[in-house]
Amino acid sequence: QVQLVQSGAEVKKPGASVQVSCKASGYTFTDYYIHWVRQAPGQGLDWMGWTNPKSGGTYYEQKFRGRVTMTRDTSINTAYMELSRLTSDDTAVYYCARVNRQWLVAGFFDNWGQGTLVTVSS
Amino acid sequence: EFVLTQSPDTLSLSPGERATLSCRASQSVDSNYLAWYQQKPGQSPRVLISGASTRATGIPDRFSGSGSGTDFTLTISRLEPEDFAVYYCQQYHTSRLTFGGGTKVEIK
Repeated sequence: QVQLVQSGAEVKKPGASVQVSCKASGYTFTDYYIHWVRQAPGQGLDWMGWTNPKSGGTYYEQKFRGRVTMTRDTSINTAYMELSRLTSDDTAVYYCARVNRQWLVAGFFDNWGQGTLVTVSS
Repeated sequence: EFVLTQSPDTLSLSPGERATLSCRASQSVDSNYLAWYQQKPGQSPRVLISGASTRATGIPDRFSGSGSGTDFTLTISRLEPEDFAVYYCQQYHTSRLTFGGGTKVEIK
């Protein structure tokens, strides 16, 4: 079955960077776009952008550009999201999610990672 | 920017009652590329509906989606105890995806 397993919780100081990983299994990793979504405590879902696991191409939502980098390692079927210059506003659960259809950049998400809590605190 | 506005923010209902949730888009959602998700505390979202009205695999038929253009609705015909959760709509009409702000369905 399809699984997306994310790395564990992180605590970071303001100004630091964090990298969250998302290991895929149960399907051909390079066939499906991976998106990243975050959720601040008690808040809604905030879409961050996507990565094309086949080509490495990316698209970042405007508000994250310059601070976010999405990459992948096809040898280990893992996608990564790195966010730099962290502030307390970046405290959130970060999710990776798979688009429902092969080779489709935009779609709904049929599989989600379990989420990674990133806490930014001095 | 493609904005989705959900209403109400909170719906207070009793088990067995009907829930009607609204999602309004700032622009027309072509081909009804709109999905609904359910999220319970401490869990990842789960897709309920795609294409505005197609139930995902394993979703009970008390959940139904309708609408087109800019106005969409998620209906839960008779609320079960496990349906009390937060619901989000999401458009995938453009590759710059957006979510609505969510509607919390709580027990009255």
